[in-house]
Amino acid sequence: GAGVSQSPSNKVTEKGKDVELRCDPISGHTALYWYRQRLGQGLEFLIYFQGNSAPDKSGLPSDRFSAERTGESVSTLTIQRTQQEDSAVYLCASSLEVRGELFFGEGSRLTVL
Amino acid sequence: AQRVTQPEKLLSVFKGAPVELKCNYSYSGSPELFWYVQYSRQRLQLLLRHISRESIKGFTADLNKGETSFHLKKPFAQEEDSAMYYCALGASSYKLIFGSGTRLLVRP
Repeated sequence: GAGVSQSPSNKVTEKGKDVELRCDPISGHTALYWYRQRLGQGLEFLIYFQGNSAPDKSGLPSDRFSAERTGESVSTLTIQRTQQEDSAVYLCASSLEVRGELFFGEGSRLTVL
Repeated sequence: AQRVTQPEKLLSVFKGAPVELKCNYSYSGSPELFWYVQYSRQRLQLLLRHISRESIKGFTADLNKGETSFHLKKPFAQEEDSAMYYCALGASSYKLIFGSGTRLLVRP
């Protein structure tokens, strides 16, 4: 596709359920980021993937959060046992190079009831 | 600690008025600064970066290391400039730290 694609665009779930968010980066982009944006707040770094290097998971808020990426393709962010404070827009971005321009997806809006 | 501060949540100006969106950062090393913008119903996108030293859509931003600032300026605001603006700091080799954003509203 022409840009970063994220799915689902909207997800409503019950507290305690697991959710999986998907990101399809721009083809050829080696770097992939996940950010979280809570209502009225800035973007909070979650995790970074670069090629086949070990990911930087330093931003993951708890062990309920995990992410995977297969090579330089699709990434999935999984949140287990969701809590109400997990409600946010989850943004994925990819970049052609380190410190290059980030290209963002439209985000996945998660609402935990 | 590495931090980006955008003190204004909302900035409202009339069309044709000058605009300055404030951004201050905290970082002991040599920073890279960026401005990202999100127009209504569009994706977040790069507006400009300090190393480019260019003007995009009439906007400029100068890195002031003494004041640790990277304010975004435009001499004459247009209605189409209304958007959410985020300042970002490239602190480590790849991680971008974003501010909380400023909503610019340009009134006719």
